[in-house]
Amino acid sequence: RKEVEQDPGPFNVPEGATVAFNCTYSNSASQSFFWYRQDCRKEPKLLMSVYSSGNEDGRFTAQLNRASQYISLLIRDSKLSDSATYLCVVMTGGFKTIFGAGTRLFVKA
Amino acid sequence: DTEVTQTPKHLVMGMTNKKSLKCEQHMGHRAMYWYKQKAKKPPELMFVYSYEKLSINESVPSRFSPECPNSSLLNLHLHALQPEDSALYLCASSQDREVGAQYFGPGTRLLVL
Repeated sequence: RKEVEQDPGPFNVPEGATVAFNCTYSNSASQSFFWYRQDCRKEPKLLMSVYSSGNEDGRFTAQLNRASQYISLLIRDSKLSDSATYLCVVMTGGFKTIFGAGTRLFVKA
Repeated sequence: DTEVTQTPKHLVMGMTNKKSLKCEQHMGHRAMYWYKQKAKKPPELMFVYSYEKLSINESVPSRFSPECPNSSLLNLHLHALQPEDSALYLCASSQDREVGAQYFGPGTRLLVL
């Protein structure tokens, strides 16, 4: 079993749609969780950190469920510019960092 | 604009060459990372330096040799690489928390012939 698993997609959605991604992790001692966005041939960019209480940044909402060991990302009112690969990241301490395989999102007009 | 810079942007080298990748961060971070990313795959952690000391070496072949001259600079020395080492090499930095968010440079796209 992979330490961090993501549905690779692709997700094809129309503009204005709501889309949700999930990511599961196997190490219950994991401490920090993040969502990154990566455009084609570019570096990953931090989208948001993920907290147990849930956090929101504009159209983006992230949630952490420690009991079930998954994190989620919800994108509301999708824009064409949201098309990218979304990577979940789990850190277990001592700087150890594991990326999920990434979920590709295509938003169409 | 990214505050983590990497040079060169592109590099083509033969299997007998020696080259170096350079990374610099301007955010006062004390942890710096090297990742390797193959096409359509996620980044894979190679090395981590914290306070200029090597904290993680993820069983990377010795043909990759990291160096951290100071808290702002990180180098990756390359020698006798193989074609399968062709990839995007990403540098990142974070504050000194061991589980803090990382900020990436634009990467060096390496081709080994």
